[in-house]
Amino acid sequence: QSVLTQPPSVSGAPGQRVTISCTGTSSNIGADSDVHWYQQLPGTVPKLLIYGNKNRPSGVPDRFSGSKSGTSGYLTITGLQAEDEADYYCQSFDNSLSGSYVFGTGTKVTVL
Amino acid sequence: QMQLVQSGAEVKKPGASMKVSCKASGYTFTDYWIHWIRQAPGQGLEWMGWINPRSGGTNYAQKFQGRVTMTTDTSSSTAYMELSRLRSDDTAVYYCVRDPGNRWGFDPWGQGTLVTVSS
Repeated sequence: QSVLTQPPSVSGAPGQRVTISCTGTSSNIGADSDVHWYQQLPGTVPKLLIYGNKNRPSGVPDRFSGSKSGTSGYLTITGLQAEDEADYYCQSFDNSLSGSYVFGTGTKVTVL
Repeated sequence: QMQLVQSGAEVKKPGASMKVSCKASGYTFTDYWIHWIRQAPGQGLEWMGWINPRSGGTNYAQKFQGRVTMTTDTSSSTAYMELSRLRSDDTAVYYCVRDPGNRWGFDPWGQGTLVTVSS
């Protein structure tokens, strides 16, 4: 079960900025575990979008950015585009569950 | 390029077992852990566990302990995930992923294997 909490949905018009939060606890994000983000376009396999809190893999547009503060991670899309409509998941490591990896609950981004 | 190719879709009866394969290419198989993740229809991602192909060491999520077994065949660079005593709520797409390390995220992902559990 998910132990990282995300808003179920966020929406914005093309060109707007949206931010998705990923709230954890002192045993995962707050314990200095990195936050990673994945994008899942409709009907496709999840793809790594941000790793190590703020780094973009090669090929990921720079309108996607990540940050972390305290027990939360954040994904920001600046200049929202129609092709960004997808589900987004955060992921981290939790040291309280025998060393488990945990995902967020997922956020559906809708481009209005 | 790095690639994980999984076995095809399966239909299983409740109580049966399933075994999904994941063949790696484009990198040294024994250098990176393999994780298994599943996604039920319309639901989010759920981590199941990892295996270290070099040592064979494993760590399973508490939810699946006693029902899941992860193995590898280093001669063919293939990882396997077996889940026993299947229930209808095990119906999901199962993914294998490569783990470059805690600071790097999971990449790449296999294409997914749909397992349907139905009587």
